[in-house]
Amino acid sequence: GNSVTQMEGPVTLSEEAFLTINCTYTATGYPSLFWYVQYPGEGLQLLLKATKADDKGSNKGFEATYRKETTSFHLEKGSVQVSDSAVYFCALSDRDTGKLIFGQGTTLQVKP
Amino acid sequence: GAVVSQHPSWVICKSGTSVKIECRSLDFQATTMFWYRQFPKQSLMLMATSNEGSKATYEQGVEKDKFLINHASLTLSTLTVTSAHPEDSSFYICSAARLDTEAFFGQGTRLTVV
Repeated sequence: GNSVTQMEGPVTLSEEAFLTINCTYTATGYPSLFWYVQYPGEGLQLLLKATKADDKGSNKGFEATYRKETTSFHLEKGSVQVSDSAVYFCALSDRDTGKLIFGQGTTLQVKP
Repeated sequence: GAVVSQHPSWVICKSGTSVKIECRSLDFQATTMFWYRQFPKQSLMLMATSNEGSKATYEQGVEKDKFLINHASLTLSTLTVTSAHPEDSSFYICSAARLDTEAFFGQGTRLTVV
């Protein structure tokens, strides 16, 4: 079945450091891929998405590229800020059912 | 993006009582709504999928008699936790989607059963 695996956290970085959060997936067919962010006490917000191989999603300085050959969708940001501290979820969408399958989430802590 | 409103954002109830959580799509008609449960420091677990006018489809291991889902219209779905117990305390999140679009999430409801 479909599944998503993320790197374990927490990830602790200093402000302006480079961020990578790894995400790999297992899926039949060609799912859409997403990164969601959850700030403390809030629901999920879509950060970025990619719907087909080699697509790059980007938003707020974050980027992720849909790599079919490595079944990966790693999240990157060149310079993190304290306000980026949150939990990040990688997810895939089953094209037939619309169901979202989430990874376990990675907590990012950015220190001043 | 589209707006999904979830109400209440938090609720405390006594053990044995029932709690209803509402999920509304404010600016679009959602053909499908999803209900998730999130345990502390864990990922979201899909509980059920509901389509307007039909019975919800529950994921394996989710008690349909305990978590009643009603999707009465294209803009409203409700989750009722019946006879709540402390182990039902959790963060419940809904999402709404229409054909060929991404799902949009509500802000979540934190349920505490005492």
